[in-house]
Amino acid sequence: GEDVEQSLFLSVREGDSSVINCTYTDSSSTYLYWYKQEPGAGLQLLTYIFSNMDMKQDQRLTVLLNKKDKHLSLRIADTQTGDSAIYFCAETHTGGFKTIFGAGTRLFVKA
Amino acid sequence: EPEVTQTPSHQVTQMGQEVILRCVPISNHLYFYWYRQILGQKVEFLVSFYNNEISEKSEIFDDQFSVERPDGSNFTLKIRSTKLEDSAMYFCASRLAGGQETQYFGPGTRLLVL
Repeated sequence: GEDVEQSLFLSVREGDSSVINCTYTDSSSTYLYWYKQEPGAGLQLLTYIFSNMDMKQDQRLTVLLNKKDKHLSLRIADTQTGDSAIYFCAETHTGGFKTIFGAGTRLFVKA
Repeated sequence: EPEVTQTPSHQVTQMGQEVILRCVPISNHLYFYWYRQILGQKVEFLVSFYNNEISEKSEIFDDQFSVERPDGSNFTLKIRSTKLEDSAMYFCASRLAGGQETQYFGPGTRLLVL
């Protein structure tokens, strides 16, 4: 079945790079997403990548996709305390009636 | 920038009561979704809706749940007889058809069943 797995916690120092990893099982996934959720808030779409791409960069964010290994990562350069949040990996596929979410990675940024 | 809105932001209800959660999707979007997130857990798909009918639903979406698009703008989720375990954040999302696969999420309604 469809499943998305993420590590639960990541702690980094301010100014360092953060790398959040995700694996998924659905080989028909066509869109893969990273969402950010701050405490008590909704889901903010950070970035997404189409499955025929290997990499996407958007300012401090770099998404890498290894389709062979079904592995997705999000790199945040120069991590700031405001980046502290839960980051959800998610996937959908063509016809995309639903999005499957991982459990979320809680990022702690130490000053 | 257009956005999905949801009302109310918070709702407290007694077990066994009916609740209706409301969403206004982005105006030209054609696909609509409900998700829920129990506190501290992952976001779970409930139901998708297209062309005035349910496209897909999860096993969570049992007979106690229903969705409706009563007019051209609102999309509602009704829970007929709430249970304690229905306490969660409920997110509405919408998507434009025609190959645009990104879903846009609303801010959520936090439901607490006592």
